[in-house]
Amino acid sequence: GIQVEQSPPDLILQEGANSTLRCNFSDSVNNLQWFHQNPWGQLINLFYIPSGTKQNGRLSATTVATERYSLLYISSSQTTDSGVYFCAVVRDSGYALNFGKGTSLLVTP
Amino acid sequence: DGGITQSPKYLFRKEGQNVTLSCEQNLNHDAMYWYRQDPGQGLRLIYYSQIVNDFQKGDIAEGYSVSREKKESFPLTVTSAQKNPTAFYLCASSYQGDQPQHFGDGTRLSIL
Repeated sequence: GIQVEQSPPDLILQEGANSTLRCNFSDSVNNLQWFHQNPWGQLINLFYIPSGTKQNGRLSATTVATERYSLLYISSSQTTDSGVYFCAVVRDSGYALNFGKGTSLLVTP
Repeated sequence: DGGITQSPKYLFRKEGQNVTLSCEQNLNHDAMYWYRQDPGQGLRLIYYSQIVNDFQKGDIAEGYSVSREKKESFPLTVTSAQKNPTAFYLCASSYQGDQPQHFGDGTRLSIL
């Protein structure tokens, strides 16, 4: 199956700092999503981004499909950004999401 | 309000007992999915369904069963054959596989 690797596995930031999370995948994909899982377990859709660049407030994401990676940028981090960030992909001709193991982010005051 | 509703939020299973987790969506999505999450891990696919009355096994289907009698509903049964059922279960739906998937709030299953 398709491999999805996220880095770093853990990240600690002070409030106001910026960060970049990376997702590498091993095959062509037709769907790539970034999620934020909050402490209650809810998976929040951040981006649907199989290619290109999108921005939503302090968050932005870029996927370079030909090089098989995606980046999630968090600017001016806040304590409410804490949680686990997952990258998930659907390979071409596939149907279900394959998840990475996530990046656990802690933003301190 | 459109969305995906999972119930119950918490569920306890006795040894040898089957339990059923509910998932209902009113997004008019064709495809529905069940995932399992263990502590500190990403999600793994149990079953998925692209259309009513059809479903396929995912990576970890052993000990689970599903049905898809209605477009809106995709219940998951955790059978007594599933020896390690304690986990967080998440249901999702989408128009098709290459379209964004939306998730419910999950059900936490524990063994008594």
